[in-house]
Amino acid sequence: AQKVTQAQTEISVVEKEDVTLDCVYETRDTTYYLFWYKQPPSGELVFLIRRNSFDEQNEISGRYSWNFQKSTSSFNFTITASQVVDSAVYFCALSEEGGSEKLVFGKGTKLTVNP
Amino acid sequence: EPEVTQTPSHQVTQMGQEVILRCVPISNHLYFYWYRQILGQKVEFLVSFYNNEISEKSEIFDDQFSVERPDGSNFTLKIRSTKLEDSAMYFCASSENGGRTEAFFGQGTRLTVV
Repeated sequence: AQKVTQAQTEISVVEKEDVTLDCVYETRDTTYYLFWYKQPPSGELVFLIRRNSFDEQNEISGRYSWNFQKSTSSFNFTITASQVVDSAVYFCALSEEGGSEKLVFGKGTKLTVNP
Repeated sequence: EPEVTQTPSHQVTQMGQEVILRCVPISNHLYFYWYRQILGQKVEFLVSFYNNEISEKSEIFDDQFSVERPDGSNFTLKIRSTKLEDSAMYFCASSENGGRTEAFFGQGTRLTVV
């Protein structure tokens, strides 16, 4: 069965600090997809990134970077030089190739960036 | 940029009443979903819809819930007899190719059952 664990419930940092949000997943499928979503205080869910299980290349997009490691079943998200606007709840999610089309979400990590 | 739109943004209803939450998915997407988020908790899958039928539903999606695609653009979630515990944010989402591609979410409908 699919499962996503985000062990960090809340993180608080000061602006310009780097911060890493952890995500560990469980799946029996060999082909699966991993996602990160941002939920700002306004409440919407904003897609950030998708990763296929067969593509372990790390990705960088501006201040955001993602580290995907199949050996440890982790898909961690790092924000470099954090800003107040990064304050949000961040969700990691998983979908499996075999049958189910749904996303299974972790419980989310609430990030607060203080000025 | 195409987006998923949901109406209303907030609905207050009395326990036992029926509500219909409406969604317009992105036009070229084939997979549609409803998710629920009880305040402060994680996002939970309710139902997925493909090719004009339910493809999967969770244990939450019992007989009081139903979904419909009444025309080529709208996708609705009906809750037949609301309970206090149905109070939550309901998100509609759509994707191009199921779980293989990213789902785009609407801004949500906050349902409050009193």
